[in-house]
Amino acid sequence: ILNVEQSPQSLHVQEGDSTNFTCSFPSSNFYALHWYRWETAKSPEALFVMTLNGDEKKKGRISATLNTKEGYSYLYIKGSQPEDSATYLCAFYNTNAGKSTFGDGTTLTVKP
Amino acid sequence: GAGVSQTPSNKVTEKGKYVELRCDPISGHTALYWYRQSLGQGPEFLIYFQGTGAADDSGLPNDRFFAVRPEGSVSTLKIQRTERGDSAVYLCASSLTGNAGYGYTFGSGTRLTVV
Repeated sequence: ILNVEQSPQSLHVQEGDSTNFTCSFPSSNFYALHWYRWETAKSPEALFVMTLNGDEKKKGRISATLNTKEGYSYLYIKGSQPEDSATYLCAFYNTNAGKSTFGDGTTLTVKP
Repeated sequence: GAGVSQTPSNKVTEKGKYVELRCDPISGHTALYWYRQSLGQGPEFLIYFQGTGAADDSGLPNDRFFAVRPEGSVSTLKIQRTERGDSAVYLCASSLTGNAGYGYTFGSGTRLTVV
């Protein structure tokens, strides 16, 4: 059983605050790490596909880093806005599994 | 279609009844995945199809759960003799090839409530 852990479980911040969360995953047989954003009543939306150790990806105010050797990824949100409120999921894809294993998510609430 | 479509969006059923959940993937996507998300948890893998065949059904919790994809496009997840513990959001995703390392495109899910 692959163990993918996300922390914190939930986070409440004020508009304008910057924040970050962690995803940890097994470091063996790594292929890719995905971040998704899931708003209530909508489809999970892919944010980043990260494949190389040391990868840094950015999309507007959101960025992510990857360390495959130690098995973790960070997601950063700069200057949080109320519309950033969502659950952020990471998913680990390894070369043996053929499917992704998800963490339990970090639920972010941004108060205006 | 433009995206992954799941129907119904909500389903309330009585304990012991049979339900079918439908997923219509993106046209041309050969791989289709079913996941189940219970409150406070991340999506849990159920089954994965490559074309018409189930490539991995190791996540189906018991023999009350069954899924088909007879023509390699639309898939139906079938649950017999539903139990209250089956209540969850059932997510379907598709990817262009069997290499989901590039990520999934998800539908918006079916929220199943067993009363």
